[in-house]
Amino acid sequence: KAGVTQTPRYLIKTRGQQVTLSCSPISGHRSVSWYQQTPGQGLQFLFEYFSETQRNKGNFPGRFSGRQFSNSRSEMNVSTLELGDSALYLCASSNQGQGSSPLHFGNGTRLTVT
Amino acid sequence: QKEVEQDPGPLSVPEGAIVSLNCTYSNSAFQYFMWYRQYSRKGPELLMYTYSSGNKEDGRFTAQVDKSSKYISLFIRDSQPSDSATYLCAMAYNQGGKLIFGQGTELSVKP
Repeated sequence: KAGVTQTPRYLIKTRGQQVTLSCSPISGHRSVSWYQQTPGQGLQFLFEYFSETQRNKGNFPGRFSGRQFSNSRSEMNVSTLELGDSALYLCASSNQGQGSSPLHFGNGTRLTVT
Repeated sequence: QKEVEQDPGPLSVPEGAIVSLNCTYSNSAFQYFMWYRQYSRKGPELLMYTYSSGNKEDGRFTAQVDKSSKYISLFIRDSQPSDSATYLCAMAYNQGGKLIFGQGTELSVKP
């Protein structure tokens, strides 16, 4: 079974630009969550989608948004990029509603804002 | 004060040693407890997943949860150089996608 796939692996953007990151969950998983990982703050929860609906949201500004499609694939968007948005963005999926449902992570997209 | 506290290390041990990694937490509402391993340039990989208090063993790994003390541990027996990675504890209130992570402990196992 293929794992969580994130594209692209690396991105370099300039301040003020916007960026879209993509995530394909494990087949059959309907929940997708996004996390930001930085050396200073560690792993922080951005938001969670389940059946195309945002179910939970972390404490990030409105510049961070996401969506989920009917095939469970998800995208997150960051608008008006700031230097502090440089981070590893991780997507995770789970098969909630089917017993034990831990999160399984992809290898992330490394975003650098210059 | 952070909800989940984890000593960032680094922790260096000789090959074959028993490694003990720990996290403390402040919110008694946490019900699900996880340990992830993260290699450089990779995403976190799930090692252990437990619900409520007790012990769980999987090969060389043992996870312990003590809800009365708000303390969780991961033990690695017969540690190998391939175990060198950052170990992250994580907790959740429910089975949703929101996990609260510790800062991670960097472990190095020397041959």
